Amino acid sequence: GNSVTQMEGPVTLSEEAFLTINCTYTATGYPSLFWYVQYPGEGLQLLLKATKADDKGSNKGFEATYRKETTSFHLEKGSVQVSDSAVYFCALSVGAGNNRKLIWGLGTSLAVNP
Amino acid sequence: DTAVSQTPKYLVTQMGNDKSIKCEQNLGHDTMYWYKQDSKKFLKIMFSYNNKELIINETVPNRFSPKSPDKAHLNLHINSLELGDSAVYFCATDNSGRNTGELFFGEGSRLTVL
Repeated sequence: GNSVTQMEGPVTLSEEAFLTINCTYTATGYPSLFWYVQYPGEGLQLLLKATKADDKGSNKGFEATYRKETTSFHLEKGSVQVSDSAVYFCALSVGAGNNRKLIWGLGTSLAVNP
Repeated sequence: DTAVSQTPKYLVTQMGNDKSIKCEQNLGHDTMYWYKQDSKKFLKIMFSYNNKELIINETVPNRFSPKSPDKAHLNLHINSLELGDSAVYFCATDNSGRNTGELFFGEGSRLTVL
């Protein structure tokens, strides 16, 4: 079946620290992979995505590379800021058209202290 | 203009009551979703509609009834509210024709059942 596993939080870092949030997946076929971010009190928004193996998605200093050999899509940022405090969700997309579905990880809460 | 707007943003009610949450989108997308997010941030899809037609109905109690009067609106009516219905409900949209897998979320409606 299709599933997403991401590291449990909460993750607490100091400002300017390096961030890694691990995400691995199982899927049939060739899914697209996503990271969504949810800031406090808001809905989720797309942070970055990758649609095929070896693609690197990047946005706002965050990066993730689609690794088919390790079935992973780890999120990284070289220097986090207080404003990055949020919940991060890894997801994969299976199917197409009306049958497309997003499979979600459980979310990882990140708190960045000044 | 907010792309995906939900009302009300907060809803506090007693067990046994019936309540509705409304969602409107101005993105011209053809697919709309309802998600439930619990207190641990776990995200669960409830329903999806494509052009007013129900596509996904994920093991949700019959007390929950979605209604899509037109392509831009998807409402959620909940009968006989229970304590376990307390959660944040998110409306989301995408465009199945573009097949990007990217969802656009509303800000959420926090339901508290006392």
